[in-house]
Amino acid sequence: NAGVMQNPRHLVRRRGQEARLRCSPMKGHSHVYWYRQLPEEGLKFMVYLQKENIIDESGMPKERFSAEFPKEGPSILRIQQVVRGDSAAYFCASSPSIYNEQFFGPGTRLTVL
Amino acid sequence: GQQVMQIPQYQHVQEGEDFTTYCNSSTTLSNIQWYKQRPGGHPVFLIQLVKSGEVKKQKRLTFQFGEAKKNSSLHITATQTTDVGTYFCAGTGANNLFFGTGTRLTVIP
Repeated sequence: NAGVMQNPRHLVRRRGQEARLRCSPMKGHSHVYWYRQLPEEGLKFMVYLQKENIIDESGMPKERFSAEFPKEGPSILRIQQVVRGDSAAYFCASSPSIYNEQFFGPGTRLTVL
Repeated sequence: GQQVMQIPQYQHVQEGEDFTTYCNSSTTLSNIQWYKQRPGGHPVFLIQLVKSGEVKKQKRLTFQFGEAKKNSSLHITATQTTDVGTYFCAGTGANNLFFGTGTRLTVIP
């Protein structure tokens, strides 16, 4: 059973460009979570999704950020018009339910020039 | 909003010394989970505590959940260099996990 897959592992964007981060959860997991980790800091919850539904997006900035988890295919975290402050590691995690352990992907390290 | 505070933020210990990190929540938690993140890596699940006053052990690691289910601790006995990393607690809220700020452990050989 493959673990949580994230791609790309490293992404470099110039200010104003769009960043698309992909996450494929573990097989059988319908719950996906996105976290942001700034250098030397902890994990900040961004959004929690189940298939085709956003359950909680309280941690996601209101502008420029969006997430989806379509019926088929990976979950996507999209950042429009990136700014330098968006540079961080973005981790995706999946679980069978909110009360189970979360399995984390290797992360996507976004650098905005 | 719900918050989970963790102390200390950093801890340097000599190899063989003990280490403890503490986690406190502003609200009662359904359960608490602990994760470890090695430098440059991703968080890896260690354990979940559910019951009030619960204590669980994993070799040299001892995890406790407070009676009021608002605090928790992780104690490592006789640290080794392989214990290096950041330890996070995470409380389960209504729809997500609230991660503590983490304790970064450095073990000096």
